[in-house]
Amino acid sequence: GQQLNQSPQSMFIQEGEDVSMNCTSSSIFNTWLWYKQDPGEGPVLLIALYKAGELTSNGRLTAQFGITRKDSFLNISASIPSDVGIYFCAGQGNFGNEKLTFGTGTRLTIIP
Amino acid sequence: DTEVTQTPKHLVMGMTNKKSLKCEQHMGHRAMYWYKQKAKKPPELMFVYSYEKLSINESVPSRFSPECPNSSLLNLHLHALQPEDSALYLCASSWDRGSNQPQHFGDGTRLSIL
Repeated sequence: GQQLNQSPQSMFIQEGEDVSMNCTSSSIFNTWLWYKQDPGEGPVLLIALYKAGELTSNGRLTAQFGITRKDSFLNISASIPSDVGIYFCAGQGNFGNEKLTFGTGTRLTIIP
Repeated sequence: DTEVTQTPKHLVMGMTNKKSLKCEQHMGHRAMYWYKQKAKKPPELMFVYSYEKLSINESVPSRFSPECPNSSLLNLHLHALQPEDSALYLCASSWDRGSNQPQHFGDGTRLSIL
């Protein structure tokens, strides 16, 4: 099925550094979602974005819904060890076309 | 802790076995989903139930049979699976199918087919 272009594919950073990742699509979405998945667990919803241009924060996480509705980014400030995991973006269309289209994922590793 | 509960957490079965995966949520959500996730890949949608009726089947082989006994429960019946069906099976739920209703996932069942 269709997947969103998510980058980078992986990141190796030191604790305390800021992180930035993004997703782009050729299609317009009504909703952008960011999930984090730890090994052996299901994806956990981090941030949901519903409006073009919307900027939303959740603690150290900030995400924006692109003005064209075709992209989104997620920033993590002052990374800590528990930020390790795989981050997925997901786009969702209107009712009737509301299936989630997932990004390919960004694997975040923190170097001690 | 997730509010979507899946059992069992792990399942090993032979290709001739019949087993079922179970999913339960008590958030009052009326849409429930089954996803399949292979290692290092994003989840892939299999089925969507809306108000206890099957609304989307993503051309899933008939050896996977979903069932929604009530608004809180979702089952996935498995029969005659193939080794390539080994994966993490995730259940999710949302208030309804609308685009402003984010999906919440369970922790999945890790399925291994011998």
